[in-house]
Amino acid sequence: SQKIEQNSEALNIQEGKTATLTCNYTNYSPAYLQWYRQDPGRGPVFLLLIRENEKEKRKERLKVTFDTTLKQSLFHITASQPADSATYLCALESGGGATNKLIFGTGTLLAVQP
Amino acid sequence: GAGVSQSPSNKVTEKGKDVELRCDPISGHTALYWYRQSLGQGLEFLIYFQGNSAPDKSGLPSDRFSAERTGGSVSTLTIQRTQQEDSAVYLCASSSYRLAGPEQYFGPGTRLTVT
Repeated sequence: SQKIEQNSEALNIQEGKTATLTCNYTNYSPAYLQWYRQDPGRGPVFLLLIRENEKEKRKERLKVTFDTTLKQSLFHITASQPADSATYLCALESGGGATNKLIFGTGTLLAVQP
Repeated sequence: GAGVSQSPSNKVTEKGKDVELRCDPISGHTALYWYRQSLGQGLEFLIYFQGNSAPDKSGLPSDRFSAERTGGSVSTLTIQRTQQEDSAVYLCASSSYRLAGPEQYFGPGTRLTVT
């Protein structure tokens, strides 16, 4: 069956360190993968998209990697700040590139301690 | 408006009643999605509208759930004969591949509580 897994435990790190979040999937062949941030009581906010033919994508302190052989994406936040504390969701395009239908993981709660 | 809006923000209803949830997407966005998020869970896909194509209803959990999108803009999600397990936050998102790529823009959600 199709499955998307993210770090099930909350991730606690110290301010200034790099946070690394994992997204693993099975039985999908996504055309792209997206990462979203969700704060309590709010809808998710888009952060980054990486396509199947891209290995790495960066945006300011954020970096995403995508390994279609391992079926894994890693999401890094460098020089983390308490304001980065939130739940981070990965999402796979599930229509083989023909649609923009996304399937979301359950999210990882990141807590950055000052 | 500048973003996706949803109404109401909160809805408390009695078991067995029908509810309607509204979504106003970003102007010009051709795609509209409904998701459901239960406490501590990820987003569960419900339904997807793309332009004038037939909607993808594959995520609707039962025939008590339906949605329509009028004039290619506003959408209404209807839940008939609500059950306690329908309690969740219902999120709407829109996107436009042509304008902004495949990323989705979410509204703030409607928190539904069935008592």
